[in-house]
Amino acid sequence: KNEVEQSPQNLTAQEGEFITINCSYSVGISALHWLQQHPGGGIVSLFMLSSGKKKHGRLIATINIQEKHSSLHITASHPRDSAVYICAVLRLHNTDKLIFGTGTRLQVFP
Amino acid sequence: DVKVTQSSRYLVKRTGEKVFLECVQDMDHENMFWYRQDPGLGLRLIYFSYDVKMKEKGDIPEGYSVSREKKERFSLILESASTNQTSMYLCASRAGRYNEQFFGPGTRLTVL
Repeated sequence: KNEVEQSPQNLTAQEGEFITINCSYSVGISALHWLQQHPGGGIVSLFMLSSGKKKHGRLIATINIQEKHSSLHITASHPRDSAVYICAVLRLHNTDKLIFGTGTRLQVFP
Repeated sequence: DVKVTQSSRYLVKRTGEKVFLECVQDMDHENMFWYRQDPGLGLRLIYFSYDVKMKEKGDIPEGYSVSREKKERFSLILESASTNQTSMYLCASRAGRYNEQFFGPGTRLTVL
């Protein structure tokens, strides 16, 4: 079983819909990252969080440390939000390496 | 503006060739990483460097080596390329353990 699981694997939405992508992990962590990858390869860091909630524009990320779960929400989705969204965790103690989920592919149609 | 650049976007090599992938960052970051990304497997760490001349093996180092002679540059070397090394290679850097990672645009390597 992967230490970081994302759901769903694929998601399609109509423009304007509210979107939620989930990330569950099985290890103790010190931080969780949400990343965005557009077709063509480049990866951009969206959020890094260790507790609570962060907001940037139409994107909101939440984390529940006790439940080992994080969600990424997109409000008023737009076709330009179409991308792969990747969750990654930094394990607690003695490691500098991120563990990555396999990503959620989002397509938003006009 | 923060930048991580990679020497090539696309590369085609033959089996057995020695391949060099270069990564340069302009942010004075301590840490640099090389990942490969394959469909269904996500990002996997090949090597990590936490400072100049310092390196640590990642999850899949076999068939690869790295070099970090200067802080801004981290090179990935495929000593003898094989077809199973056909992949997307991504470089990243960060200031420290609790900082975000910045990724390069990726190099899509095909080994024939």
